[in-house]
Amino acid sequence: DTGVSQDPRHKITKRGQNVTFRCDPISEHNRLYWYRQTLGQGPEFLTYFQNEAQLEKSRLLSDRFSAERPKGSFSTLEIQRTEQGDSAMYLCASSLASTNEKLFFGSGTQLSVL
Amino acid sequence: AQTVTQSQPEMSVQEAETVTLSCTYDTSESDYYLFWYKQPPSRQMILVIRQEAYKQQNATENRFSVNFQKAAKSFSLKISDSQLGDAAMYFCAYRRFGAGNMLTFGGGTRLMVKP
Repeated sequence: DTGVSQDPRHKITKRGQNVTFRCDPISEHNRLYWYRQTLGQGPEFLTYFQNEAQLEKSRLLSDRFSAERPKGSFSTLEIQRTEQGDSAMYLCASSLASTNEKLFFGSGTQLSVL
Repeated sequence: AQTVTQSQPEMSVQEAETVTLSCTYDTSESDYYLFWYKQPPSRQMILVIRQEAYKQQNATENRFSVNFQKAAKSFSLKISDSQLGDAAMYFCAYRRFGAGNMLTFGGGTRLMVKP
């Protein structure tokens, strides 16, 4: 069990470019979550998957954002036409759906939009 | 909508002493969960302690304990015998029952531990 892995750890891009982040959850976990954390704030929920189905999307997830989990394993989060306001840390977490569900977080991808 | 408020942006404690971090929340739900997470400089959020709202007994995990006051919607974290490794950001979080792990977080409290 290597934990939740996120790649890249840091990403610097210019405004208007597209970026894609990857998250590899703990292997037996069927739920995968994306959160966004801006500087000095707590994380905010973006979306989550159970297996390959996207079950919830926050209003924070504008139409420039798209997340996928095609085979119910790893997930990607793409941001199109990045804006400076997209600069944040993007956290991925995974869990096994149960009555005592515990969330495990990755170390995040820090995005800077110049 | 649920909100979580942490009114202390920063706290400091002497090593081996006790410190209490405050958290209040607002919800109209009767069944929910509350959490404290720790985020060290490595950025990975780590679960410290969890409380189910239907349980009257306060949760404890080794040196960490909570004071859960459901009527007052208050959920404070007490860290006893503080250690240098406790220095981190601490986030209080809420989720309603049956909502997967869609957490609502507070703004965080930075805890500094003085040797």
